[in-house]
Amino acid sequence: AQSVAQPEDQVNVAEGNPLTVKCTYSVSGNPYLFWYVQYPNRGLQFLLKYITGDNLVKGSYGFEAEFNKSQTSFHLKKPSALVSDSALYFCAVRAFGFGNEKLTFGTGTRLTIIP
Amino acid sequence: EAGVTQFPSHSVIEKGQTVTLRCDPISGHDNLYWYRRVMGKEIKFLLHFVKESKQDESGMPNNRFLAERTGGTYSTLKVQPAELEDSGVYFCASSQESTEAFFGQGTRLTVV
Repeated sequence: AQSVAQPEDQVNVAEGNPLTVKCTYSVSGNPYLFWYVQYPNRGLQFLLKYITGDNLVKGSYGFEAEFNKSQTSFHLKKPSALVSDSALYFCAVRAFGFGNEKLTFGTGTRLTIIP
Repeated sequence: EAGVTQFPSHSVIEKGQTVTLRCDPISGHDNLYWYRRVMGKEIKFLLHFVKESKQDESGMPNNRFLAERTGGTYSTLKVQPAELEDSGVYFCASSQESTEAFFGQGTRLTVV
């Protein structure tokens, strides 16, 4: 079975400060890892993914995430937060390979950037 | 290129009624998924189509839920009869093989 934990329901960060949204996962075999964002009254938007290769992946809107296999983590980061980054963020995992396409999501972290 | 489209965006129905949700995937995407988020909880997988075939329906909660994808294009998810616990946001997503899934804006279903 695969699972995702987002330990923080809410993260508040001052505008201009660095932000981190935490995610740890459990999956059999090698993972595919994803971050999605949901803005108010919008659907889920893909931010970035880790499939293989460099542990630091860069995505949309200046976000990046670091895959750490030993800690089974995939934390989302941004060096300087913007008010427009305020949204609900979901981490997701799926197992590597054909036939394992379903995503398992965390419960989401609401990020609020304070002006 | 059009994204994943879901209809309706909102639906309020009474317990015992029937509701049908529709999803139009991105053109050319063989994989189509349905997910559901109950208020405040995680987004949970319901089922996965590859073209018109059900690849995985392990997440379907019970036999009140019926999903179809005739012709391998758009998909419908019917809930009959609806119960209070079916309330939530239903997301549809599509993908090409082994790539990220692109989600629609969701259908917010409220059963009263």
